[in-house]
Amino acid sequence: RKEVEQDPGPFNVPEGATVAFNCTYSNSASQSFFWYRQDCRKEPKLLMSVYSSGNEDGRFTAQLNRASQYISLLIRDSKLSDSATYLCVVNVGDDYKLSFGAGTTVTVRA
Amino acid sequence: NAGVTQTPKFRILKIGQSMTLQCTQDMNHNYMYWYRQDPGMGLKLIYYSVGAGITDKGEVPNGYNVSRSTTEDFPLRLELAAPSQTSVYFCASSIIAGTAYEQYFGPGTRLTVT
Repeated sequence: RKEVEQDPGPFNVPEGATVAFNCTYSNSASQSFFWYRQDCRKEPKLLMSVYSSGNEDGRFTAQLNRASQYISLLIRDSKLSDSATYLCVVNVGDDYKLSFGAGTTVTVRA
Repeated sequence: NAGVTQTPKFRILKIGQSMTLQCTQDMNHNYMYWYRQDPGMGLKLIYYSVGAGITDKGEVPNGYNVSRSTTEDFPLRLELAAPSQTSVYFCASSIIAGTAYEQYFGPGTRLTVT
């Protein structure tokens, strides 16, 4: 089983729509969770960390469900500039290594 | 402050050749990482380093070597290149502060082995 699994999409949504997607992780001992964004042919960049209580950053909301071992990302009022691949990232143990999902592709159309 | 820089941006190698991918960071980060990303796949950790003089294998170390003689530099060496090493290689660095350890990535090196 992969350490981090994501629905690859693509999620094709109109501007202004809300889009949400999940990822699941296999290691119940994981402590830290992140969403990274990767634009086409570019390097990944941190979008937001995911906290146990859930957190928002502008139009982005992240949730963590430890019991079911999944995290989610919701994007409200989608913009064209939100088109990207969103990587679910989880730490894999006591050290500072991270495990990356293969990504969920979101395309926002005008 | 340039962040993480990688050279070269692109390279084509013949089977059996060797090369070194360069990575430099100017943020005084203690942790550095090398990943490879194949199409449709997540990033896979090749090697990482927690500080100068210390390196450790990641998930896919075979066919690669690294060194960390300074805090700033973390070169990745490919010996006897194989087609299976065709990939995009990303170097990253981070500073560890509690559970906050954002990784900063370089722009990547696109390597083709033919």
